[in-house]
Amino acid sequence: GAVVSQHPSWVICKSGTSVKIECRSLDFQATTMFWYRQFPKQSLMLMATSNEGSKATYEQGVEKDKFLINHASLTLSTLTVTSAHPEDSSFYICSASGQSPESTQETQYFGPGTRLLVL
Amino acid sequence: RKEVEQDPGPFNVPEGATVAFNCTYSNSASQSFFWYRQDCRKEPKLLMSVYSSGNEDGRFTAQLNRASQYISLLIRDSKLSDSATYLCVVTHTGGFKTIFGAGTRLFVKA
Repeated sequence: GAVVSQHPSWVICKSGTSVKIECRSLDFQATTMFWYRQFPKQSLMLMATSNEGSKATYEQGVEKDKFLINHASLTLSTLTVTSAHPEDSSFYICSASGQSPESTQETQYFGPGTRLLVL
Repeated sequence: RKEVEQDPGPFNVPEGATVAFNCTYSNSASQSFFWYRQDCRKEPKLLMSVYSSGNEDGRFTAQLNRASQYISLLIRDSKLSDSATYLCVVTHTGGFKTIFGAGTRLFVKA
């Protein structure tokens, strides 16, 4: 299947620092990228949807000034958690939507996720 | 009411059993349907797409009933390695809006 990479895979940081997470689609051009957050034993919660070259669309309750998303190209999106606090500790997962080489259907492929722990 | 609802589980089944998961969605404009599998502390991985005509991939069969807005996943001859959380996923026009179900946990025991 299609490959989506995410970096870093885990981060431990002090409260108040900013953390940047990169998401790349490696073998296809992603028309849309999504950012999710998952707390333990819960399902994925969509944070925002971004299309290349335009502003991200944030879900209700997600602070756009705190979670900055940049979708610079069809293969790269970044999420920056600004002034992170312990309650931001979570598993952040990106996905890229596109037509992979194996399929004609628009499908989402997930990155391996980034575990963020804010002390 | 959640837009995508699944059996909460957990399902505890012995090896070799057949198990079925159900999922309902509320938005009749939903266009694409998928089952994803998520292992503990890992990202979701696409298991299979779901079509109105039904589709089968080895021991896995998925069905879609648009009239009832219902999706199912059937796993035959369960293996220990099938233990995971199964997520029902529904997307709207062009894949721009994706809704995940809360997931159904499956435990297959020897």
